[in-house]
Amino acid sequence: AQSVTQLGSHVSVSEGALVLLRCNYSSSVPPYLFWYVQYPNQGLQLLLKYTSAATLVKGINGFEAEFKKSETSFHLTKPSAHMSDAAEYFCAVSGPLNDYKLSFGAGTTVTVRA
Amino acid sequence: GAGVSQSPSNKVTEKGKDVELRCDPISGHTALYWYRQRLGQGLEFLIYFQGNSAPDKSGLPSDRFSAERTGESVSTLTIQRTQQEDSAVYLCASSLARGTGYLYGYTFGSGTRLTVV
Repeated sequence: AQSVTQLGSHVSVSEGALVLLRCNYSSSVPPYLFWYVQYPNQGLQLLLKYTSAATLVKGINGFEAEFKKSETSFHLTKPSAHMSDAAEYFCAVSGPLNDYKLSFGAGTTVTVRA
Repeated sequence: GAGVSQSPSNKVTEKGKDVELRCDPISGHTALYWYRQRLGQGLEFLIYFQGNSAPDKSGLPSDRFSAERTGESVSTLTIQRTQQEDSAVYLCASSLARGTGYLYGYTFGSGTRLTVV
């Protein structure tokens, strides 16, 4: 079985500060890992994904994530937060045996202070 | 269509009533997925369609839940005899085909917010 754990249900950052959202995964097979963002009353939008290519993955809106097998982590970062980054962020995992099914973390809500 | 469309966007129903939730996937997407998002929780997988067959419906919580899909088009999720614990946002997603979700990502609809009173 595959699962992800997101550390911290709420993160508050100042505008211009580093955004760091933590995600750890559990998987017995090489995982596919994703970060999605959800703005209020909208569906989920894919930020970036890891599918066993480069371990440092760059996504949209200046976000990036690094796959660290030794730490079973896939943390999401953005060097400088913008007010428009306020949203809920979800880490998700799937694998080659069940590539159609995503297992999601509980989500992290990001607020950005002016 | 240009995106995944879900209707209604909001539904309030009385406990014990049946509800139908509709999903229109992106044209040409053969794979379709339903997820449930309870307040403060991540998404739970409900069911996956490839074409009009459902190879995996292991996530359906009880026999009150059922889903069908017409060809490679519209899908309907039906909840019979709704209970308060069914209150959640129901999200639909589609992808070109099985296995392409991890390559290109899944396209999600905006969801149907179901409230059972």
